[in-house]
Amino acid sequence: QVQVVESGGGVVQPGRSLRLSCAASGFTFSRYPMHWVRQAPGKGLECVAIIWPDGSNEYYGDPVKGRFTISRDNSKNTMYLQMNSLRAEDTAIYYCAWGPLFYFEYWGQGTLVTVSS
Amino acid sequence: QSALTQPRSVSGSPGQSVTISCTGTSSDIGAYNYVSWYQQCPGKAPKVIIFDVSRRPSGVPDRFSGSKSGNTASLTISGLQAEDEAHYYCCSFVGGFNFVFGSGTEVTVL
Repeated sequence: QVQVVESGGGVVQPGRSLRLSCAASGFTFSRYPMHWVRQAPGKGLECVAIIWPDGSNEYYGDPVKGRFTISRDNSKNTMYLQMNSLRAEDTAIYYCAWGPLFYFEYWGQGTLVTVSS
Repeated sequence: QSALTQPRSVSGSPGQSVTISCTGTSSDIGAYNYVSWYQQCPGKAPKVIIFDVSRRPSGVPDRFSGSKSGNTASLTISGLQAEDEAHYYCCSFVGGFNFVFGSGTEVTVL
């Protein structure tokens, strides 16, 4: 069965860095793009970053451009999100989301990132 | 990419029908028949209930239905039940593996 499991969240001071991981199983990871979606407390869903199946291209939402880097290791079926220069407004639950077609069929449980001094 | 526009909240009595609108542009909803809807209960991850505008995943009750006209998509919950109380988000494919979500709607069962 398909599973995506996030890890790496925690409390971090403004300006510091954090790296999130998403371990995937149950599907051919290397064939599909992968997404990070976040949700700030009491707010809606926001697509943060996308990576192409072979890692050749990436997309970032405007709020994180230049600060976050998405990557993947297809040999480990794992995706990463390196978050630098963190700000209070980056506080959110970060979800790894995947679907074989044009929607997100599977979501992880999310990992909470809190940026606070 | 700006968020799709949804009403902040809708409400209805048990058994009634409610419809949630999701308004986008000719670059998102109007360009693709790839609108999906997600139900999110408190403290839980979102769950897809409609994809490709009007298709339901296995296990989703048929009281949930979706449609689209022009740049606006809609989710209708017929025969509202207490367990349908949740937040609902629309989402549209916008090309290049990218998606945009709606602002979210809270459904209250009176």
